[in-house]
Amino acid sequence: AQKVTQAQTEISVVEKEDVTLDCVYETRDTTYYLFWYKQPPSGELVFLIRRNSFDEQNEISGRYSWNFQKSTSSFNFTITASQVVDSAVYFCALDNFNKFYFGSGTKLNVKP
Amino acid sequence: SAVISQKPSRDICQRGTSLTIQCQVDSQVTMMFWYRQQPGQSLTLIATANQGSEATYESGFVIDKFPISRPNLTFSTLTVSNMSPEDSSIYLCSVGTEQFFGPGTRLTVL
Repeated sequence: AQKVTQAQTEISVVEKEDVTLDCVYETRDTTYYLFWYKQPPSGELVFLIRRNSFDEQNEISGRYSWNFQKSTSSFNFTITASQVVDSAVYFCALDNFNKFYFGSGTKLNVKP
Repeated sequence: SAVISQKPSRDICQRGTSLTIQCQVDSQVTMMFWYRQQPGQSLTLIATANQGSEATYESGFVIDKFPISRPNLTFSTLTVSNMSPEDSSIYLCSVGTEQFFGPGTRLTVL
């Protein structure tokens, strides 16, 4: 069965701190995609990254970085030097042959 | 990335009525999806909208309650039928393998 677990329901940090959002997934398939989305208070879903199961290279985009480890079925997301504008709910998702499974989301509060 | 618009952006409806939500994309896409996000919850896939054929519904969602149209490769509609307060949610469409999302429709049913 496919499943995405985001164990951290809510995280609070102070601005400029680094923060890592955890994502653990389950699938029996060898081909799949993993995603991260940001949902600010306004409600829209902002696409952050899509990674296929054959590409385990870590990715960095500005203050954002992603660590994909197939051995532990994890796809963690780190924000470096967090800012107040990073406050949002972050969703991890698994795409298994166009069947999408979202995690329950992690609410990140960045305080000034 | 695709530019996706949804109409209406929000609505307040009475119990027992129906609402049709539109999703428009600025380019042709093969795959379009409809999701529901209940208050404080994650997203749940309702169905995949296929151009030229019936939509494919996920477990727990039926065509009578959520009829979907996909007349061409840039447009789809989702109707929420015979609404009850439990249908109060954000409804989102997404497109493509990258799953870019529209801005969502906030529905409140009284």
